[in-house]
Amino acid sequence: KAGVTQTPRYLIKTRGQQVTLSCSPISGHRSVSWYQQTPGQGLQFLFEYFSETQRNKGNFPGRFSGRQFSNSRSEMNVSTLELGDSALYLCASSQITPGNTGELFFGEGSRLTVL
Amino acid sequence: GDSVTQMEGPVTLSEEAFLTINCTYTATGYPSLFWYVQYPGEGLQLLLKATKADDKGSNKGFEATYRKETTSFHLEKGSVQVSDSAVYFCALKYGNKLVFGAGTILRVKS
Repeated sequence: KAGVTQTPRYLIKTRGQQVTLSCSPISGHRSVSWYQQTPGQGLQFLFEYFSETQRNKGNFPGRFSGRQFSNSRSEMNVSTLELGDSALYLCASSQITPGNTGELFFGEGSRLTVL
Repeated sequence: GDSVTQMEGPVTLSEEAFLTINCTYTATGYPSLFWYVQYPGEGLQLLLKATKADDKGSNKGFEATYRKETTSFHLEKGSVQVSDSAVYFCALKYGNKLVFGAGTILRVKS
């Protein structure tokens, strides 16, 4: 079974630009979550999508947005990039079933550097 | 709000030493608890989990017991190996959202 796939793995942008990151979940997983990892703030929850709907959102500005497609693939977008947006962006997928403990499976991440 | 506190690292041990990484949490209700591990340049991998009080999660020689009375979920391993060098994250889960601790770097010397 293929794992969670994130693209691109590495990218470099300049301040003011925008970026789109992609995540393909494990087959059959309908929930996709995004996390930001930085040395200073650690791992922080961005948002979660299920069946193309955002169910949960973390405490990030509106420049951070996301969406989920009918095949459960998800994208996140960051507009007007700032230096502080440099981070590893992790995507995680999980199954949602009754009694499921909801184990999250993570991808290897997209490392964004903003210059 | 919900939070997780881990012991600060880095933790440096010799091979075959005993490992304990402390984790305590603050939460309303009864969250599920997890330990994730991150190897250099990689994403997070689930190491073990526990979903209710007194549950013990175990995997690859690592263990942790869900202690409701002390709100703790300490990670232990009897004999560490160089290959265990990584960053370890304790986390709690409500719904489908994980709240992580700051992470503890473990370095194992041969």
